[in-house]
Amino acid sequence: ETGVTQSPTHLIKTRGQQVTLRCSSQSGHNTVSWYQQALGQGPQFIFQYYREEENGRGNFPPRFSGLQFPNYSSELNVNALELDDSALYLCASSSGQDPTEAFFGQGTRLTVV
Amino acid sequence: RKEVEQDPGPFNVPEGATVAFNCTYSNSASQSFFWYRQDCRKEPKLLMSVYSSGNEDGRFTAQLNRASQYISLLIRDSKLSDSATYLCVVNEGSSASKIIFGSGTRLSIRP
Repeated sequence: ETGVTQSPTHLIKTRGQQVTLRCSSQSGHNTVSWYQQALGQGPQFIFQYYREEENGRGNFPPRFSGLQFPNYSSELNVNALELDDSALYLCASSSGQDPTEAFFGQGTRLTVV
Repeated sequence: RKEVEQDPGPFNVPEGATVAFNCTYSNSASQSFFWYRQDCRKEPKLLMSVYSSGNEDGRFTAQLNRASQYISLLIRDSKLSDSATYLCVVNEGSSASKIIFGSGTRLSIRP
């Protein structure tokens, strides 16, 4: 087990709704990165939070937003859900930018109907 | 052209066989390279880093060819438990947005 936990594990939402996904980072890690993994694809970088500030963003629209809390846990919010938002959402916590030191949570599988 | 490309497979090989797959990348300035393993409906996990000199970890060998811009993963004496999707990851720079995942190669080992 990596110590990175995500909730919920599965979620079904209707198009147009809003969703909040949560990630608890591993102890000692101050950086959380969020990824979207569509079926049959590799994870796509959404954004990263470092010490409560956004620290880099991928090619995702503004309706994807996030937060990081003082305990370094994080939330991913998606507004106005679209069918194409259906995917596995992964968070990875780390203490720096070295991918070898990042650990993924088990993911939240979001289905938009 | 995709930044990181992999043959999606599936590669279906018998237990004990040797299997190899490649991953090509488009950015010649890419700095570091990795292979991740992802089991069905699970999170990706780091398998190994790929060094310029090539590196080996038990039955797994990873190599980097900067001139041709590809990395490879060789699995010897394959086990049933090696069945998974193998993701190639390329770090193009110094920020998280520069860490690019390939779409993965599915490997299935049959008894």
